[in-house]
Amino acid sequence: KQEVTQIPAALSVPEGENLVLNCSFTDSAIYNLQWFRQDPGKGLTSLLLIQSSQREQTSGRLNASLDKSSGRSTLYIAASQPGDSATYLCAVPFNFGNEKLTFGTGTRLTIIP
Amino acid sequence: NAGVTQTPKFQVLKTGQSMTLQCAQDMNHNSMYWYRQDPGMGLRLIYYSASEGTTDKGEVPNGYNVSRLNKREFSLRLESAAPSQTSVYFCASSVFGVGNEQFFGPGTRLTVL
Repeated sequence: KQEVTQIPAALSVPEGENLVLNCSFTDSAIYNLQWFRQDPGKGLTSLLLIQSSQREQTSGRLNASLDKSSGRSTLYIAASQPGDSATYLCAVPFNFGNEKLTFGTGTRLTIIP
Repeated sequence: NAGVTQTPKFQVLKTGQSMTLQCAQDMNHNSMYWYRQDPGMGLRLIYYSASEGTTDKGEVPNGYNVSRLNKREFSLRLESAAPSQTSVYFCASSVFGVGNEQFFGPGTRLTVL
C-alpha cells in the first residue's frame, strides 16, 4: 500500500527566504505526483502536477522536483511572502495506473513578516 | 465557471440522523471523488465515480453511500450519523484518466453530536 510522508509537519521562516518542502512515498511506481495548497478553513488548490516522465515542474516562484527512484519530491518556494502561509500537501495515485490519490498529512508553513 | 461547489458549508447532526452532502462541478469532468479530512490523518478517499452510473469504494467507505446523479453531480449520504463521522468533507473532480489534476470544492464541516 502506498504511503506518503511529509516532514516537517510545521515550518516557520522569515519573509524573503527560499525554502524547500519534502514529500516521500513508499512505492516508486507512480504515474504522477501532485502538490496542493490549503488555506485555513478552505479547500485544496492544485499547485503543480508532475508526470513520472518529468523531473521538474515550475509555476512562478514554485518549483517541484520528482525523483521516483528514491521515492521523493520537493517543492521549492523562492523569495517567500506572507501570502505563502498555508498547509502544503502532496499526493500520489494509490498504485500505478490508478486515479485515486493517497495524500500526505501536509506541512504547515508560516512566513514571518 | 464556479468549479466544484458543495452544500451545505456547515452542518450539525445528532447521532442517528441522516443527511446528504451535495457536490456539483461545471468543468465537464468525468471523474468525481469524496474525501474526508481529519486532524493527523490527512485526506482519505471515501468513494469515487469514474463516470455517470459507476461508483467505487475508497479507503473508508463504511457508513456512507453515494449517488452519481448525472455527469455534474455526486452526492454523499450518511444514513445514520455517528460521532466518528465528524470531519471535513471534500468533493473533487478530474478529467477521466490517470495523470489528470484533481480540483477540489470548499468543503463541508460536519459535526455529529
